[in-house]
Amino acid sequence: QEKVQQSPESLIVPEGAMSSLNCTFSNSASQSIWWYQQHPGKGPEALISIFSNGNKKEGRLTVYLNRASLHVSLHIRDSQPSDSAVYLCAVSKTNTNKVVFGTGTRLQVLP
Amino acid sequence: AQTIHQWPVAEIKAVGSPLSLGCTIKGKSSPNLYWYWQATGGTLQQLFYSITVGQVESVVQLNLSASRPKDDQFILSTEKLLLSHSGFYLCAWSLRRQNTLYFGAGTRLSVL
Repeated sequence: QEKVQQSPESLIVPEGAMSSLNCTFSNSASQSIWWYQQHPGKGPEALISIFSNGNKKEGRLTVYLNRASLHVSLHIRDSQPSDSAVYLCAVSKTNTNKVVFGTGTRLQVLP
Repeated sequence: AQTIHQWPVAEIKAVGSPLSLGCTIKGKSSPNLYWYWQATGGTLQQLFYSITVGQVESVVQLNLSASRPKDDQFILSTEKLLLSHSGFYLCAWSLRRQNTLYFGAGTRLSVL
């Protein structure tokens, strides 16, 4: 069973700062990794995904994947109070229908 | 545009009572469908998935069952609720051969 751990559990940053979130997974065969954003009482929304080793940038978001160390990180540049939410890392193997979510990081961006 | 609707929005039920939660997806033909459960403050846990009408695979045993009676409908149910069933139930869909999940707004269940 895939295990997905996230750190830190909670993160508080001032507006305009860089927010950095981490995720480690247990299975090197996991081929697809996503980051989701979840606001209180709502369903998660997909933000960005990565499948290949290296980095991917979309707007203020950058994600880095290192398969050798089973580690993926999400960096949010110029963090805004509206970015305050729980961020979830999710992993799965291609062509399976099992998507395993991490424990989540609660991000709070202070104005 | 695709829409996903979950019902009810919230339920308060007694231990031992039956439960039925529903999910409908419009605007997408033959999606993969999923049920997830999230205990308060807990991790999202996949319960079931379905790739076609009438076919449902169980991922975790929680004394719940699921059915897909129509291409666009996914039902989660149990005949006897436990206290441990309390939490947030989320339905999601994805395209075939892609695993980006699109979630509904969820159903908040309180079992007393």
